[in-house]
Amino acid sequence: DQQVKQNSPSLSVQEGRISILNCDYTNSMFDYFLWYKKYPAEGPTFLISISSIKDKNEDGRFTVFLNKSAKHLSLHIVPSQPGDSAVYFCAASERATSGTYKYIFGTGTRLKVLA
Amino acid sequence: NAGVMQNPRHLVRRRGQEARLRCSPMKGHSHVYWYRQLPEEGLKFMVYLQKENIIDESGMPKERFSAEFPKEGPSILRIQQVVRGDSAAYFCASSPIISGANVLTFGAGSRLTVL
Repeated sequence: DQQVKQNSPSLSVQEGRISILNCDYTNSMFDYFLWYKKYPAEGPTFLISISSIKDKNEDGRFTVFLNKSAKHLSLHIVPSQPGDSAVYFCAASERATSGTYKYIFGTGTRLKVLA
Repeated sequence: NAGVMQNPRHLVRRRGQEARLRCSPMKGHSHVYWYRQLPEEGLKFMVYLQKENIIDESGMPKERFSAEFPKEGPSILRIQQVVRGDSAAYFCASSPIISGANVLTFGAGSRLTVL
């Protein structure tokens, strides 16, 4: 049962335009969300996060939006650059009764920014 | 300030052999997570450990797989009697002890190939 879904396996965008990557989740108890970028043969690197008490978080060219009622989040990259070409994973976590957090990842979206 | 160190980066095993993957967390981090990425798939949670304690192993296959994080030394993911389906990239991530959710820092991964 996939609790975190990225329904678009790939996305192509022209350089300078906006890239929008989407992520849906099913567990309403998730309260913290993260986006990671992954290049081939490397580990995922953290991009940006958002807590469930917010609906938007911005860091430079990256903005994450959270719609809790729709259980949907999106990552906007503006302007897109060729170096942004990578696989993007969203992840969600909830606080267990033990006080610890487990992070569930989506299947990823491969972004290709065309020069 | 080294990041999360995983070794070996590449491991080749024949069916029936054992594979041991090691992970040294970032300095100051005491939580370790293991994820598996099968070809063309996302990151699947396997296990979450603190030193000398398994917090959550709900993603671990019931047989042949085990993980530990001893008081001294790296965390080890052990796969006994490997089969071809175990071929994957195994990523370790670490996080510090702080209350609330936090960011995972990933290693570069260990790529296991079973012949």
